[in-house]
Amino acid sequence: QVQLVQSGAEVKKPGSSVKVSCKASGGTFSNSAISWVRQAPGQGLEWMGGIVPIFGTANYAQKFQGRVTITADESTSTAYMEVSSLRSEDTAVYYCAAHDSSASPGWYCDYWGQGTLVTVSS
Amino acid sequence: EIVMTQSPATLSVSPGERATLSCRASQSVSSNLAWYQQKPGQAPRLLIYGASTRATGIPARFSGSGSGTEFTLTISSLQSEDFAVYYCQQYNNWPPMCSFGQGTKLEIK
Repeated sequence: QVQLVQSGAEVKKPGSSVKVSCKASGGTFSNSAISWVRQAPGQGLEWMGGIVPIFGTANYAQKFQGRVTITADESTSTAYMEVSSLRSEDTAVYYCAAHDSSASPGWYCDYWGQGTLVTVSS
Repeated sequence: EIVMTQSPATLSVSPGERATLSCRASQSVSSNLAWYQQKPGQAPRLLIYGASTRATGIPARFSGSGSGTEFTLTISSLQSEDFAVYYCQQYNNWPPMCSFGQGTKLEIK
């Protein structure tokens, strides 16, 4: 059973950056398909991008290309998601989620972190 | 980018009755379709993947069907704990690219 534990809530100023971490345990981190999904207050789910740590290269939804950076550290089984040039519209709960892609291919999400609230406010 | 459209936005159903939720893709996604349930203040929970395969621990009253561009999630006999928001998600195998529908809120009638 994979467990994902995310870093705590953040309050940021517009124009700054935020980096959220997601530490995995109980599974094969390197072969996992790690996704980052955000949810603005009262809104739906939005897939931001994903990475398979053993491959190291992240892919992004077009909307987030250039402003979001997803990385993974296999030595600590931790994934990271950084958003730069924050604006008020980035206020949301950010989730990491995972799927064991060695078991079956696909980018659906069996396991979810608890979510990290990022508030962007001046 | 593939756009996922769910209908209806809100569905009112009585406990014990059947609920049918729809999801349409703007282009074919084959069977690369998942369904999630989300309750207030909680992370989403995977229900269905591969359009019709129940995830581990999901009750048999949840079933998924469809392929290509038209998909359905059916809950055969609604229990009180099933009232929540449901999202569909299309996914590629490689390179990773996903998108969610806007959600259907299932509420008690």
